[in-house]
Amino acid sequence: GENVEQHPSTLSVQEGDSAVIKCTYSDSASNYFPWYKQELGKGPQLIIDIRSNVGEKKDQRIAVTLNKTAKHFSLHITETQPEDSAVYFCAATRRLGGAQKLVFGQGTRLTINP
Amino acid sequence: GAGVSQTPSNKVTEKGKYVELRCDPISGHTALYWYRQSLGQGPEFLIYFQGTGAADDSGLPNDRFFAVRPEGSVSTLKIQRTERGDSAVYLCASSDQDRRSYNEQFFGPGTRLTVL
Repeated sequence: GENVEQHPSTLSVQEGDSAVIKCTYSDSASNYFPWYKQELGKGPQLIIDIRSNVGEKKDQRIAVTLNKTAKHFSLHITETQPEDSAVYFCAATRRLGGAQKLVFGQGTRLTINP
Repeated sequence: GAGVSQTPSNKVTEKGKYVELRCDPISGHTALYWYRQSLGQGPEFLIYFQGTGAADDSGLPNDRFFAVRPEGSVSTLKIQRTERGDSAVYLCASSDQDRRSYNEQFFGPGTRLTVL
């Protein structure tokens, strides 16, 4: 089955700097890669996703890149703000419609230092 | 509108007891998922419902775990003879089921289960 590895496990950056989180996946059939943000005591919330037919997607300060050949994808946050502090999870799944069992990475605890 | 809700938010029980965890999905969402999140880890898939039926229960760890969704809306995850290793946050997610699309899963806040 699918296996997703995520790193780093913790990341601390100065406010205004950029943060990058990287994930690799094992199943070449995976075709959907969402990123979730989880704040303390809350469930994960989708912040951005990318599908296997594109290599990059951007939404304001957040961008994701996907390299299907190397089977890795990354989250980029620019101009970081204190409210970006949270745990971030990457995930992968291989189904279009039907069951979309998400396989998550281990998470990255991002801390933005004022 | 209202998001996914889960009750209770916290549950403390003793080893060997039976527990039920409830999930109220977003109204109209036909797909419902249960995940388990251990401390410091990402969520792990347990079971998926499409309507009333469990379409995929491959993530349930053993036969002590069971889930139902009798009317295609609210779901209950049931754990028999709880063990300390069952302690985790149990997350529920729901989504639309447009077979032409990748459907965002909306997560509830989770139920934190502690088995003493």
